Amino acid sequence: AQSVTQLDSQVPVFEEAPVELRCNYSSSVSVYLFWYVQYPNQGLQLLLKYLSGSTLVKGINGFEAEFNKSQTSFHLRKPSVHISDTAEYFCAVSGRNQFYFGTGTSLTVIP
Amino acid sequence: SAVISQKPSRDICQRGTSLTIQCQVDSQVTMMFWYRQQPGQSLTLIATANQGSEATYESGFVIDKFPISRPNLTFSTLTVSNMSPEDSSIYLCSVGENTEAFFGQGTRLTVV
Repeated sequence: AQSVTQLDSQVPVFEEAPVELRCNYSSSVSVYLFWYVQYPNQGLQLLLKYLSGSTLVKGINGFEAEFNKSQTSFHLRKPSVHISDTAEYFCAVSGRNQFYFGTGTSLTVIP
Repeated sequence: SAVISQKPSRDICQRGTSLTIQCQVDSQVTMMFWYRQQPGQSLTLIATANQGSEATYESGFVIDKFPISRPNLTFSTLTVSNMSPEDSSIYLCSVGENTEAFFGQGTRLTVV
């Protein structure tokens, strides 16, 4: 079975500061991992995904994530956040063509 | 990639009534998925809809409450039946496979 745990429900951070959003997963099959972003009143947009290969994955808007198999983690990072990064972020794992989402992390960027 | 259109984008409904949400995809897909996102929570899979067969419902969701149609490879509907305020949520249509999922903009439902 697949499951995802997002360790932080809310993360406030000052503008231009770095941020890390944490995600741990469990899966009994091959792992495909994702980060999605949901801006207020909008649908989900793919930030990045790990399917195989390099464990450091770069996505849109300057975000990146590192797949760590030994720690079963897939943390999302950005070196310098902008006000426009304020949104809800969801980590997800897929299996059998279904997606399993974490409970989300609300990132608030403070001017 | 896939472009998904959902209608309506939002609605306010009286308790006891039903609402049908439409999902149109710009390409043919085998499986379509319906999710519910309750206020301040994550996405929960309601059911998987395959063309030509009954939808497969997840634990806690039943066909009488959330009937689904899948008449062809580009279209599906989800009906929320006999609504109560607890059904107030965002309902999202999705398509994809293990390697990526695409989502509609969602239908924001408020039941009063």
